[in-house]
Amino acid sequence: NAGVTQTPKFRILKIGQSMTLQCTQDMNHNYMYWYRQDPGMGLKLIYYSVGAGITDKGEVPNGYNVSRSTTEDFPLRLELAAPSQTSVYFCASTYARDSGGQETQYFGPGTRLLVL
Amino acid sequence: QQPVQSPQAVILREGEDAVINCSSSKALYSVHWYRQKHGEAPVFLMILLKGGEQKGHEKISASFNEKKQQSSLYLTASQLSYSGTYFCGTGGSNYKLTFGKGTLLTVNP
Repeated sequence: NAGVTQTPKFRILKIGQSMTLQCTQDMNHNYMYWYRQDPGMGLKLIYYSVGAGITDKGEVPNGYNVSRSTTEDFPLRLELAAPSQTSVYFCASTYARDSGGQETQYFGPGTRLLVL
Repeated sequence: QQPVQSPQAVILREGEDAVINCSSSKALYSVHWYRQKHGEAPVFLMILLKGGEQKGHEKISASFNEKKQQSSLYLTASQLSYSGTYFCGTGGSNYKLTFGKGTLLTVNP
């Protein structure tokens, strides 16, 4: 299994440009997450999904959009990039059981985004 | 609300012990601990669940005080490979985690 994969690894955007960060997992996990990590601030949840076709906002959703058309893929869309979106973006996934058991989140390698 | 981690940073010599604390103002269902090395993704260490269940690596120990909404991660006989930033993530029953700002651990020879 490849686990959670993310592309690209690094990207430079100009202010106002748009891009999509790709995330794919091959573990048949139902829950997927997008986080951003700024220096010294920990991980902030942007959006998450509990299954194909279902998404919801996290702590910092403004300026981002997501979709989940398949179990495997959870792309993050940045519209009208701003310098404040310069960050490292991590995708993660987990399998959440109906019985309420908590499982570990598996993280992808991250995408470093610089908006100039 | 973001959990508070303490200390913010700690420096050890190889073989020394350390305790990292995580405190929340909200009632907790679970606490997750991760370690992140510079430029890499966070890596799972342990989950502690309300009710006492724990899942994690054998060499890592932690505690979860549900009444005080606190968790502590115990690192004993530290090795150079323990260096990194440790994050706690606190969760409710909805599988969303809120992460602390991290504790930077440096282990020197």
